[in-house]
Amino acid sequence: DAGVIQSPRHEVTEMGQEVTLRCKPISGHNSLFWYRQTMMRGLELLIYFNNNVPIDDSGMPEDRFSAKMPNASFSTLKIQPSEPRDSAVYFCASSFGTGRLSQPQHFGDGTRLSIL
Amino acid sequence: AQRVTQPEKLLSVFKGAPVELKCNYSYSGSPELFWYVQYSRQRLQLLLRHISRESIKGFTADLNKGETSFHLKKPFAQEEDSAMYYCALSPSAGGTSYGKLTFGQGTILTVHP
Repeated sequence: DAGVIQSPRHEVTEMGQEVTLRCKPISGHNSLFWYRQTMMRGLELLIYFNNNVPIDDSGMPEDRFSAKMPNASFSTLKIQPSEPRDSAVYFCASSFGTGRLSQPQHFGDGTRLSIL
Repeated sequence: AQRVTQPEKLLSVFKGAPVELKCNYSYSGSPELFWYVQYSRQRLQLLLRHISRESIKGFTADLNKGETSFHLKKPFAQEEDSAMYYCALSPSAGGTSYGKLTFGQGTILTVHP
């Protein structure tokens, strides 16, 4: 398995533009997580899905952020409109969660987002 | 609610010296604890988990329920150990966490030659 695949690896755009980050989880995993990593705040959980259903989006900073998981093999995180303070590395992770035994999360390479 | 605290943002040691990265947690049940490592500009990787009770790359971590700690230790640090280390907690079995992890703020370890 190629692991969790994220695209793009780098994104540079001007403020006000729409940004879409993509994630393909590991096949067979049923939980998917979106994180944001900054020097100031460390690793923050934004939202996570189980069986394609959003379970907890309390970490989403503002209404400008939205996430979808239309099927088991694809998820998007969208920022519209983007702002310079959104600049960060965004990670996607997946795991197989049954609610009975926690399995480790597997992370993608991340998307390094710069908003000018 | 669960919480993970890594009191040291930065930790510097010399090559060959022992290293201990501290992790304390608060959780009312019996958690599962993990250590993740992130080398420069790479993805986070699982280093070890407490239920495995194994040593990875010379690192070990013991869950101390009395002190609610899960410190990461290595007797002789190497330069290639320089990285960001995250401690993470998952609620115990029977819950509906779906694999959600609560991460600490991370500790940047620098091993000097």
